[in-house]
Amino acid sequence: NAGVTQTPKFRILKIGQSMTLQCAQDMNHNYMYWYRQDPGMGLKLIYYSVGAGITDKGEVPNGYNVSRSTTEDFPLRLELAAPSQTSVYFCASTGVRTEAFFGQGTRLTVV
Amino acid sequence: AQRVTQPEKLLSVFKGAPVELKCNYSYSGSPELFWYVQYSRQRLQLLLRHISRESIKGFTADLNKGETSFHLKKPFAQEEDSAMYYCALHSGGYQKVTFGIGTKLQVIP
Repeated sequence: NAGVTQTPKFRILKIGQSMTLQCAQDMNHNYMYWYRQDPGMGLKLIYYSVGAGITDKGEVPNGYNVSRSTTEDFPLRLELAAPSQTSVYFCASTGVRTEAFFGQGTRLTVV
Repeated sequence: AQRVTQPEKLLSVFKGAPVELKCNYSYSGSPELFWYVQYSRQRLQLLLRHISRESIKGFTADLNKGETSFHLKKPFAQEEDSAMYYCALHSGGYQKVTFGIGTKLQVIP
């Protein structure tokens, strides 16, 4: 089973550039999440979704956008990259009576 | 609203010493508590869940509803236990998850 797949693994962006972090899960989970993790720090919730077509803000949504057109996919969009968005990004999903499954992370550097 | 509190960002212990990572929660319903672990440069993974009442890698955690706590314990720390530990509360049939900020455990040789 693939579980939660994130792409890319690494990316360097210039200030002001845009990019989309991809996240896909093949477990038919309803809930999906995007977190960022700054060096030596814990997880901060950016956005989450409780199902296709439904998304909501987490604690640090500024500078990001998401969409959930299908159950499987939950992309995270950075429109105008800033150095403060340098971080490791994790996507996760949860299903009925399961633990949370995480992707391998995307290490983003904005220069 | 549900909330998970991990009061310590960093916990340093010597190898062989006991470990206790604290976790308190706030939730009006019946909680489902989990501990997740993240080793260096790896993804988060499940360590244990309260409903299983199991011991994983020597770690145990007991749900105390009176004190609304779910502390993670290990009698003798090992160097390989050095990692980031997250307490999490699941609700809605486990689907909605709220994580604590995490505690970095550093085991000193």
